[in-house]
Amino acid sequence: DSGVTQTPKHLITATGQRVTLRCSPRSGDLSVYWYQQSLDQGLQFLIQYYNGEERAKGNILERFSAQQFPDLHSELNLSSLELGDSALYFCASSLSGRGDTQYFGPGTRLTVL
Amino acid sequence: AQSVTQLGSHVSVSEGALVLLRCNYSSSVPPYLFWYVQYPNQGLQLLLKYTTGATLVKGINGFEAEFKKSETSFHLTKPSAHMSDAAEYFCAVIGGFQKLVFGTGTRLLVSP
Repeated sequence: DSGVTQTPKHLITATGQRVTLRCSPRSGDLSVYWYQQSLDQGLQFLIQYYNGEERAKGNILERFSAQQFPDLHSELNLSSLELGDSALYFCASSLSGRGDTQYFGPGTRLTVL
Repeated sequence: AQSVTQLGSHVSVSEGALVLLRCNYSSSVPPYLFWYVQYPNQGLQLLLKYTTGATLVKGINGFEAEFKKSETSFHLTKPSAHMSDAAEYFCAVIGGFQKLVFGTGTRLLVSP
């Protein structure tokens, strides 16, 4: 158990819909990262938050957005869903520094029908 | 920009045999390197990491990796494979702003 929790574990929805994925970081970790894992794209970085502020953006679509709240939990919002958005979405957390280990949650499996 | 190449999408070994998973990196700054393991339907678990200092890094479950700057490599090894080692292994390098840049993964198959 990494200490990072993600809900829900599975999500099945239809094209055009909007969903919210939730992540609670390990106690004491200030950084939260979101990654997408799909068969065609592999593991890709989406976005990072540090202590409530957006720090870095990766290959995140404009239809996707995220935020980190004062209690440091984070939410990833996916809207206007397409079939190609079906993937595993992982949240990870770390203390803050460049070499700090990122601890991964169990992931949310999103299926868009 | 940082990148990682993992040679071999699948590696098959017999139980008790040496495990060698290859990883080469590209980095414009001194690299921080990681190996993660993913078991079916689970998240990623850190096996080991190299940041600075000793180039031979020992991790969990008997795995180790050696950072070789001259070869830009960070290969993962284990002297004796166990059935429970069957999983997917990802090499990663820290890119800008601490994001992990992953390789495409190597699936390790262990036969009795």
